[in-house]
Amino acid sequence: DIQMTQSPPSLSASVGDRVTITCRASQNINNYVNWYQQKPGKAPKLLINLASSLQSGVPSRFSGSGSGTDFTLTVSSLQPEDFASYYCQQSYGTPYTFGQGTKLDIK
Amino acid sequence: QVQLQESGPGLVKPSETLSLTCTVSGGSINNYYWSWIRQPPGKGLEWIGYIYYSGSTNYNPSLKSRVSISVDTSRNQFSLKLSSVTAADTAVYYCARPWVYWGQGTLVTVSS
Repeated sequence: DIQMTQSPPSLSASVGDRVTITCRASQNINNYVNWYQQKPGKAPKLLINLASSLQSGVPSRFSGSGSGTDFTLTVSSLQPEDFASYYCQQSYGTPYTFGQGTKLDIK
Repeated sequence: QVQLQESGPGLVKPSETLSLTCTVSGGSINNYYWSWIRQPPGKGLEWIGYIYYSGSTNYNPSLKSRVSISVDTSRNQFSLKLSSVTAADTAVYYCARPWVYWGQGTLVTVSS
């Protein structure tokens, strides 16, 4: 299986801050990475697919980058609604695997 | 707008079979892959498997011996069966059309 190592597991930040979450794959997965936002009691919401392609309706303050084994999700200026958990996922090969998640809360 | 809705028992006894159905509305089940994903309370996400509308399947090896996914195109539904469940199978189960459309999730608790 391809392991996705996500860091940090938790992050405290303030409104307006720039934050970055990283994900490292255990092997080369080209750009087959998705990023999700999940709020309590809700299903994950796809933010970015293929490492850097922003989904329709997702604010432009979210961006993704990377290829090969190292990937990042950046939020350029945190808004109150961005405090949530975030997950990376590889869709390069089955079994599809997720990072352990990053919980982003208000400082 | 495509919508997915999970349904099935919220409580299953240990050693029994968990059965869930996902009903797709707002679009056809044809020509797409459909997945099941689960999330134990307070933990991360685990992909269970997928089915193509034609019936071909692919399962997570960690669950392969216990899982079965089927599709009913006439009802626009697909289903999950997980046998010999234990407390470790307690989770919110999501169905999804990879990876934009997700159901709201349903909590299944394994307990006697």
